[in-house]
Amino acid sequence: QSVLTQPPSVSGAPGQRVTISCTGSSSNIGAGSDVHWYQQLPGTAPKLLISDNSNRPSGVPDRFSGSKSGTSASLAITGLQAEDEADYYCQSYDNSLSGYVFGTGTKVTVL
Amino acid sequence: EVQLVESGGGLVQPGGSLRLSCAASGFTFSSYWMHWVRQAPGKGLVWVSRINPDGSSTTYADSVNGRFTISRDNAENTLYLQLNSLRAGDSAVYYCIRGYSSYFEYWSQGTLVTVSS
Repeated sequence: QSVLTQPPSVSGAPGQRVTISCTGSSSNIGAGSDVHWYQQLPGTAPKLLISDNSNRPSGVPDRFSGSKSGTSASLAITGLQAEDEADYYCQSYDNSLSGYVFGTGTKVTVL
Repeated sequence: EVQLVESGGGLVQPGGSLRLSCAASGFTFSSYWMHWVRQAPGKGLVWVSRINPDGSSTTYADSVNGRFTISRDNAENTLYLQLNSLRAGDSAVYYCIRGYSSYFEYWSQGTLVTVSS
């Protein structure tokens, strides 16, 4: 049901940089819809991490950054920390579906 | 502090009904779009429904359209989701969310709905 595609998993050692891609289509990201990112720690509700492609809400460390280009978006985590182990989801709006869509989700593992 | 506290989840038989409630506090409830998003066990996030600030406009995902009804009581600062004709595939944690622009700004803790005989 997800129309935004993410890699199932990414991993990195503490201190490293990892990126998560989010691939959409001409009816969502490519149509100009903004991309937002959420972090879901184990056993908890998702939390807004990045809004409007690249904006960090208050309290989100600047180790997290987002970008968007064409029909895709990316989330980067620099200086990876053990506490960053979580599931990450991208989200946008799809004009064809007239509804909000999420990515397939990516599990980040800190080695 | 924004708080969204849900209630009403539980076990229900296929074909049955359930009503979820979400009590909001810490913000002017009547000024915000509200949403429901669900997550089946071990699966990803799926948007379910939204309602505008005064309750006059609602939208649903195709998978629940005609079976679920979103509503709100701005005098009581409460959001509702009526779930009818429930199926096994509706089993999930349901989150109540305050929306802003096109994103989901604040999330509730979630309430589990299990559809099983």
